[in-house]
Amino acid sequence: NAGVMQNPRHLVRRRGQEARLRCSPMKGHSHVYWYRQLPEEGLKFMVYLQKENIIDESGMPKERFSAEFPKEGPSILRIQQVVRGDSAAYFCASSPRQGHKDTEAFFGQGTRLTVV
Amino acid sequence: AQKITQTQPGMFVQEKEAVTLDCTYDTSDPSYGLFWYKQPSSGEMIFLIYQGSYDQQNATEGRYSLNFQKARKSANLVISASQLGDSAMYFCAMREEYNFNKFYFGSGTKLNVKP
Repeated sequence: NAGVMQNPRHLVRRRGQEARLRCSPMKGHSHVYWYRQLPEEGLKFMVYLQKENIIDESGMPKERFSAEFPKEGPSILRIQQVVRGDSAAYFCASSPRQGHKDTEAFFGQGTRLTVV
Repeated sequence: AQKITQTQPGMFVQEKEAVTLDCTYDTSDPSYGLFWYKQPSSGEMIFLIYQGSYDQQNATEGRYSLNFQKARKSANLVISASQLGDSAMYFCAMREEYNFNKFYFGSGTKLNVKP
């Protein structure tokens, strides 16, 4: 029973390139969350998706960032024209049902993005 | 205002001793959940323990217990009989009933267990 799978684990991009981060939720989970962790900080919420729907993107930067969770395949977090400040660890989490205050989320191992 | 505050950037504890990691929170929602996660050097986030705001008793999970003081809005994690493998970052997090789409995380406490 595989957990939340994120790939790649490490990603290096030059400024101006695009970064694509993938997340496959746990089997049976249809709700995905993306978080960003800057160095020496806690995780910050970015976006919450269900299959084919963005439910809450209040934590997403207004430009260059987008996320999707198609009917088939993994969830994708896309960062266009990356800048050095995008360097961070990006975590995906999944849950089996709609979020509730007492529902823990299961996290992937994260993708560490380095922009050079 | 910070939703979750962890005031200890780093802590040391001797192996086999108990240690308390502090966490205070801020919310106006009467219904919420509090979580602790462990992040070892490998980077993954591991769920440890959960406390609901209406739970009468403090949560316990093996060597982990949560010292929940609702009036003080604190949810400290207690690790008993520390082991070398407990060395990691520890994050306190909260989820609110009316805004359950997101976790709010603290900045973390780095725990080092000394042999």
